[in-house]
Amino acid sequence: GENVEQHPSTLSVQEGDSAVIKCTYSDSASNYFPWYKQELGKGPQLIIDIRSNVGEKKDQRIAVTLNKTAKHFSLHITETQPEDSAVYFCAASRPGNQFYFGTGTSLTVIP
Amino acid sequence: EAQVTQNPRYLITVTGKKLTVTCSQNMNHEYMSWYRQDPGLGLRQIYYSMNVEVTDKGDVPEGYKVSRKEKRNFPLILESPSPNQTSLYFCASRPDSAGQTQYFGPGTRLLVL
Repeated sequence: GENVEQHPSTLSVQEGDSAVIKCTYSDSASNYFPWYKQELGKGPQLIIDIRSNVGEKKDQRIAVTLNKTAKHFSLHITETQPEDSAVYFCAASRPGNQFYFGTGTSLTVIP
Repeated sequence: EAQVTQNPRYLITVTGKKLTVTCSQNMNHEYMSWYRQDPGLGLRQIYYSMNVEVTDKGDVPEGYKVSRKEKRNFPLILESPSPNQTSLYFCASRPDSAGQTQYFGPGTRLLVL
């Protein structure tokens, strides 16, 4: 099956700085790569996703990049704010198949 | 409001005492899943269901059962819980097996003594 690795496991940044979280995957058939944000006491919530026919996608301060050849994708958060503090998960899947998740990154934004 | 609900949110039980965690979605989704979340391991799929009466094992099904008698409900059953099933459990749904936008419930924290 698919194997998704995520780094770093913890990340602290100053408010206003950028944060980058990286994931790699093993199954070249995976074609959908979502990112989830999990706040304390809540379930994961989709914040952005990218499909394999696209190299980059942006939504305000959040962007995701995908390198299919290298089998890695990254989440970029610019101008970080304290409310960005949470655990972030990447995932990979292919149509009709289950999702495989990374192990999570705990992001702390220091005011 | 479109949502996935789970009950209970918190549960403390003892080894061997059967329990059920309920999950319900109001989005008419065909595909539902159960995950467990453990520190350092991320989210791992326990069971999934592609439609009513259609269920299959995920990566960590041992010790769990599920049923899907109605489209909206997908209960998780632990017939004889053990301490290694202490975890945070999430139910999730998506429109169908091809649809990839997945919605998660708020989670159930289970402690098995």
